[in-house]
Amino acid sequence: ILNVEQSPQSLHVQEGDSTNFTCSFPSSNFYALHWYRWETAKSPEALFVMTLNGDEKKKGRISATLNTKEGYSYLYIKGSQPEDSATYLCAHDQMNNNAGNMLTFGGGTRLMVKP
Amino acid sequence: ETGVTQTPRHLVMGMTNKKSLKCEQHLGHNAMYWYKQSAKKPLELMFVYSLEERVENNSVPSRFSPECPNSSHLFLHLHTLQPEDSALYLCASSQALVWSGDTQYFGPGTRLTVL
Repeated sequence: ILNVEQSPQSLHVQEGDSTNFTCSFPSSNFYALHWYRWETAKSPEALFVMTLNGDEKKKGRISATLNTKEGYSYLYIKGSQPEDSATYLCAHDQMNNNAGNMLTFGGGTRLMVKP
Repeated sequence: ETGVTQTPRHLVMGMTNKKSLKCEQHLGHNAMYWYKQSAKKPLELMFVYSLEERVENNSVPSRFSPECPNSSHLFLHLHTLQPEDSALYLCASSQALVWSGDTQYFGPGTRLTVL
């Protein structure tokens, strides 16, 4: 995998459903994997930064796992609510030797939760 | 709010105009970034500044000219743009010093339309 890929591109679920998305990234030169939540007309909001193989992070009903050896991360949402409707972005972090994060973003998964 | 502001939020300009986008961060960070999101494409890194020095320029055309006068402010000067430059331009900042994995905080973006 040369680029960061996310699937599915979009997802419609009913309120209360649990769902998950996939982020695939190059497994070489890995430093960190970021997840962001982006609501329309707002700023992307950081959810998780994951650095270690096997990492699991949780924030309320949202959790994420990381497999750096095979180059994928899953984002899970338990009991989806309409306010979870947003685009979820992942980004592969390759550190620049001069400092600063070099993020390569996937195309995002657009989640729509119907009441 | 994320602590990163951008002005203007919307901009319409002709191909012969010169305009500037402004970004300001109130987080005490030392790295700032410009991203571009074109329709149906992932967020794409344009420029990285760390400690007010440009550390990355991702092969961006010279009609885009960044300026970072201090660690809190970042500008993107635009001149003789093309209609295909119409996009959402996002600014971000982070406390990136030595290691990667630092969270980037995004502004709300400037929606640019080039006529």
